[in-house]
Amino acid sequence: DAMVIQNPRYQVTQFGKPVTLSCSQTLNHNVMYWYQQKSSQAPKLLFHYYDKDFNNEADTPDNFQSRRPNTSFCFLDIRSPGLGDAAMYLCATSGGTGRYQPQHFGDGTRLSIL
Amino acid sequence: GQNIDQPTEMTATEGAIVQINCTYQTSGFNGLFWYQQHAGEAPTFLSYNVLDGLEEKGRFSSFLSRSKGYSYLLLKELQMKDSASYLCAVRGDTGFQKLVFGTGTRLLVSP
Repeated sequence: DAMVIQNPRYQVTQFGKPVTLSCSQTLNHNVMYWYQQKSSQAPKLLFHYYDKDFNNEADTPDNFQSRRPNTSFCFLDIRSPGLGDAAMYLCATSGGTGRYQPQHFGDGTRLSIL
Repeated sequence: GQNIDQPTEMTATEGAIVQINCTYQTSGFNGLFWYQQHAGEAPTFLSYNVLDGLEEKGRFSSFLSRSKGYSYLLLKELQMKDSASYLCAVRGDTGFQKLVFGTGTRLLVSP
């Protein structure tokens, strides 16, 4: 059973039209992440939440925002998508601050920009 | 800075053994993870090393040498389904739970 669920799997939006990607988890993990991954590249961390504490990466564009209304859900909002934002967006979770805490990934949302 | 290097691509035949290397330079070190990622799918966790030595898990083993900034993933008895990208990721000291990923090694297993 999927434990980190991303919807939708594929999202098409128009240039400049706001889009929201969603992630939910059944693991009750307190850390949730959003990554951007382009073809043949490493996943790039955009931001993460530790509980309600939001941590933005220094090089994440202002165009990307996130919300975490409760433990289970996290959203990625792209306010004005550009062609360069077409990518796979991965949500991941991990539990606590223990040294051995792998990140568990959802299946991703592949975003296309028309 | 943080840097993780892996070969871009490797090929091997079914039933063989393959070793995928990873070298890293990070600010601090708090563990190294290997993930498998099939095309168009999410990464799945394979192994974790924080102390020097070999960790074995069925057909997969992972080795770490902290003094050399080096790890490898060893895959034995290769199967066609092992064709995937293998990502090396390091947890440095840039904040709890954050991982720095390599670009991955694409492994192609042929009959």
